[in-house]
Amino acid sequence: AQSVTQLDSQVPVFEEAPVELRCNYSSSVSVYLFWYVQYPNQGLQLLLKYLSGSTLVKGINGFEAEFNKSQTSFHLRKPSVHISDTAEYFCAVSGIGNAGGTSYGKLTFGQGTILTVHP
Amino acid sequence: DSGVTQTPKHLITATGQRVTLRCSPRSGDLSVYWYQQSLDQGLQFLIQYYNGEERAKGNILERFSAQQFPDLHSELNLSSLELGDSALYFCASSPMTGVGQPQHFGDGTRLSIL
Repeated sequence: AQSVTQLDSQVPVFEEAPVELRCNYSSSVSVYLFWYVQYPNQGLQLLLKYLSGSTLVKGINGFEAEFNKSQTSFHLRKPSVHISDTAEYFCAVSGIGNAGGTSYGKLTFGQGTILTVHP
Repeated sequence: DSGVTQTPKHLITATGQRVTLRCSPRSGDLSVYWYQQSLDQGLQFLIQYYNGEERAKGNILERFSAQQFPDLHSELNLSSLELGDSALYFCASSPMTGVGQPQHFGDGTRLSIL
């Protein structure tokens, strides 16, 4: 089984400042990692994903994340935020090779981090 | 626009009733996932179908059931509704089944139980 902890429920930041949204995971098997963004009254949109290869992953809208296996973390970063980045961000994991083959790609989500960008 | 269509957008009903939520996946996607988003439980995986067959089950109540039809659209049926079933229900789709497949989400159906 997998679990995801997003360490901050809310992150306020000023426009053009850098931001980091923290995500730690726990899993008994290897995982794939994802960040999704949810704007008000909308569904979730995929920001980026880590499947394999380089541990630094670049996504849409200038976001990037770094996979750190030893620290079981997948923090999301943006060097300069914009008002339009205000939204809720979700970290998610998908376990590889779950026992019994029952994973089939289901996502386990963290509780979400609300990013509020102030002018 | 993710290409995943969910209807209706809003549903208001009373306790004890039964409702059906509908999802049309992106064109070409064979796998459909259902998730429930509530304030106390967050985003929880309910069930997955692939090409008409159930593939994985999560925290889905026995009062809830789902199916995927030959045209690949899916329906989530919720019966004997309780106040605690009030939530946002999302459908997501991916091309295949299996881990690593990016899932594309619809805008959800907001269910309110009075």
